[in-house]
Amino acid sequence: GAGVSQSPSNKVTEKGKDVELRCDPISGHTALYWYRQSLGQGLEFLIYFQGNSAPDKSGLPSDRFSAERTGGSVSTLTIQRTQQEDSAVYLCASSLGTGGAYGYTFGSGTRLTVV
Amino acid sequence: AQSVSQHNHHVILSEAASLELGCNYSYGGTVNLFWYVQYPGQHLQLLLKYFSGDPLVKGIKGFEAEFIKSKFSFNLRKPSVQWSDTAEYFCAVNPSGNTGKLIFGQGTTLQVKP
Repeated sequence: GAGVSQSPSNKVTEKGKDVELRCDPISGHTALYWYRQSLGQGLEFLIYFQGNSAPDKSGLPSDRFSAERTGGSVSTLTIQRTQQEDSAVYLCASSLGTGGAYGYTFGSGTRLTVV
Repeated sequence: AQSVSQHNHHVILSEAASLELGCNYSYGGTVNLFWYVQYPGQHLQLLLKYFSGDPLVKGIKGFEAEFIKSKFSFNLRKPSVQWSDTAEYFCAVNPSGNTGKLIFGQGTTLQVKP
């Protein structure tokens, strides 16, 4: 597609439920990144994919968070047993390759609210 | 710890005022530097970036930023702001040789009064 597409755009879930957030990157972009933007804070790196593998998962806040990417394209971020502190905007970005030189295109994000 | 600091969290200016938003980082090696903007209700967009060469980089919409290596700074400037510049601004650093992930500052909310 023309841009990075994320779905759903908004998600309200009950504490303890599992959620899946989807990211569809720009076609041909091999690198994919997930970030989290919490109220009053900057963007926090979560995980990076190169193709289908995730060389850097250092930002995942707990083992309740996991992500996968299939076919070198769509990625899914899963949060199990959601907690209120998981409420945030989850952003996905894709890039032609790694390294800042390629630039990043961000999606519009998924706003997750845990009640 | 490696980090990116934006000194101003909330800036209020009148139209035609000059703007300077501070950004400092704590990485010792080579870095790529970025400023992103997020207009209300929109996704993050790239304003400008620095990789190498002339430390004064020009971006879209009249914005510019200067990389001062000795000060570990990459401040964003605009000579005359407009109401449409109201947005949140993020400084980001990509340490060279890493996976390409960006380390973001906390952001600065700019409010321009007409």
